[in-house]
Amino acid sequence: KNEVEQSPQNLTAQEGEFITINCSYSVGISALHWLQQHPGGGIVSLFMLSSGKKKHGRLIATINIQEKHSSLHITASHPRDSAVYICAVHNTDKLIFGTGTRLQVFP
Amino acid sequence: EPEVTQTPSHQVTQMGQEVILRCVPISNHLYFYWYRQILGQKVEFLVSFYNNEISEKSEIFDDQFSVERPDGSNFTLKIRSTKLEDSAMYFCASTRLAINEQFFGPGTRLTVL
Repeated sequence: KNEVEQSPQNLTAQEGEFITINCSYSVGISALHWLQQHPGGGIVSLFMLSSGKKKHGRLIATINIQEKHSSLHITASHPRDSAVYICAVHNTDKLIFGTGTRLQVFP
Repeated sequence: EPEVTQTPSHQVTQMGQEVILRCVPISNHLYFYWYRQILGQKVEFLVSFYNNEISEKSEIFDDQFSVERPDGSNFTLKIRSTKLEDSAMYFCASTRLAINEQFFGPGTRLTVL
């Protein structure tokens, strides 16, 4: 069983839709990261959070430590949001990655 | 804006050859990481490095792998005798604090023939 599980694996949406990606983990963590991987392969950090909620523009990330669950929300989705979104947990001195959610937003 | 750089962007090598992948982390960062991503699979942790020594390594990081910070700016990953299964994208990352946002390099695609 993977230590970090994401759902869904694939997601398609129409431009403007509200999107939610979920992440559950089974190990102890000091923080959780949401990352974006572009089609070319580059990885960009979106959020790091250890409690509560963070917001950057149209992106919102929440975490529930007791439930070992985090969600990434995208409001008013746009085709440029198309990418793979990866949840990774900080465990001891390493990141453990989920398998990613491939998001495609169509105009 | 400062960024992590990696060279080369693509390396092709024959099985059994040694390769060195190079990374230049952001200058005031203190924690350094190598990750790999086999095509179509998830990103995997290889090794973390702080204060000139390995702080944690994965099962993947066996005796064939080594890391070095030779000159205070570069951070290298050496694979001594490459295998076909080492073919992957290798990402370097750095961060200023132990628990902090990590900044990733663009990756080196390693192809072992």
